[in-house]
Amino acid sequence: TQLLEQSPQFLSIQEGENLTVYCNSSSVFSSLQWYRQEPGEGPVLLVTVVTGGEVKKLKRLTFQFGDARKDSSLHITAAQPGDTGLYLCAGLNNNAGNMLTFGGGTRLMVKP
Amino acid sequence: DAGVIQSPRHEVTEMGQEVTLRCKPISGHDYLFWYRQTMMRGLELLIYFNNNVPIDDSGMPEDRFSAKMPNASFSTLKIQPSEPRDSAVYFCASSLLGVYNEQFFGPGTRLTVL
Repeated sequence: TQLLEQSPQFLSIQEGENLTVYCNSSSVFSSLQWYRQEPGEGPVLLVTVVTGGEVKKLKRLTFQFGDARKDSSLHITAAQPGDTGLYLCAGLNNNAGNMLTFGGGTRLMVKP
Repeated sequence: DAGVIQSPRHEVTEMGQEVTLRCKPISGHDYLFWYRQTMMRGLELLIYFNNNVPIDDSGMPEDRFSAKMPNASFSTLKIQPSEPRDSAVYFCASSLLGVYNEQFFGPGTRLTVL
């Protein structure tokens, strides 16, 4: 069974601060996705990273895929209250069906 | 385009009652997934379908749970009989066969079993 561990589980910060969320596994993934989930809604895809070492930027969010494709990070610069939500990483192994393995999530609260 | 549609959005029922959750995937998507989310266990995959055929139901907790996909535009998840420990948010998601399997989630059904 492939597992993805996310850290921290909870994070409460002030507006304007920077933060990094980590997603780690002992397994190799073909690709890795990051989702954000707001209260009362389903997860929404933010980005997919595919190549080891790949870095993708989405405004103030920077996503990195580890060189060995076993881990990933999400860095948010100058966090805003609108960034509040549950951040989920999900790994795909093309050799193991078409299922995503989801991490436990990081619950972020950004206080104004 | 309409996203994934789920109904009802909220369901409150009593222990022992039958519960049916419904999902309409995005038109043209050939994969459909049912998940359950709780604070304790996070997001768990229950079952998924490809072209209306169940592929993996190893996540279904027990025989009380069943899922069907009679056609490409409709799926149901049924719990009979329901128990308080089934209380959770149930999500349906769909995707199109591709290299990255990016999934699109519905808004979820919040189930409370008293």
